[in-house]
Amino acid sequence: GAVVSQHPSWVICKSGTSVKIECRSLDFQATTMFWYRQFPKQSLMLMATSNEGSKATYEQGVEKDKFLINHASLTLSTLTVTSAHPEDSSFYICSARDWDRLSGANVLTFGAGSRLTVL
Amino acid sequence: GNSVTQMEGPVTLSEEAFLTINCTYTATGYPSLFWYVQYPGEGLQLLLKATKADDKGSNKGFEATYRKETTSFHLEKGSVQVSDSAVYFCALSLTGNQFYFGTGTSLTVIP
Repeated sequence: GAVVSQHPSWVICKSGTSVKIECRSLDFQATTMFWYRQFPKQSLMLMATSNEGSKATYEQGVEKDKFLINHASLTLSTLTVTSAHPEDSSFYICSARDWDRLSGANVLTFGAGSRLTVL
Repeated sequence: GNSVTQMEGPVTLSEEAFLTINCTYTATGYPSLFWYVQYPGEGLQLLLKATKADDKGSNKGFEATYRKETTSFHLEKGSVQVSDSAVYFCALSLTGNQFYFGTGTSLTVIP
């Protein structure tokens, strides 16, 4: 089945530095990827929709200059948390949309998540 | 608008108990419906799906039936195991470009 690889799975950084998280679709091409943020024991919060070759679409309240998204190829989207602060500490999850031929529906395949801790 | 409502957790069950996690939806069209599962410290995995009314999705002993008349997609399992402890998310998609998730239901199965 479809596989999405997310890296790094765990990162600790100092306040003020930038962190890049990669999301790769390993065996399929993903024109659309999604980035989520998840707080402890809470649901997913959609941050942005990443479209290959165009600008990402950010959800209301998400700072696009803070969370830079680049979808440079059909298999790679990156999320860069710029000038990270402790309040940016969270679990970030990416997903890629894939077409399931058996059911004739789009499904989301998720990466394993990246836990960011900002000191 | 489009939304998904899940029963609030946490849910705690003994091993081999019957599980039901309720999910209802509101949609402006004919959505595809999904259940995703998130094990501790991991991303979400697709558990099962149904794309049209009366379809039954099933996987790993879990089942859910797409009920258009009640706009529901309740998740069931006849006999839960400790390894089923996780957070379960109900979701819908209309165009395939937007997915709407419920708030998640935490399940803990005790031996």
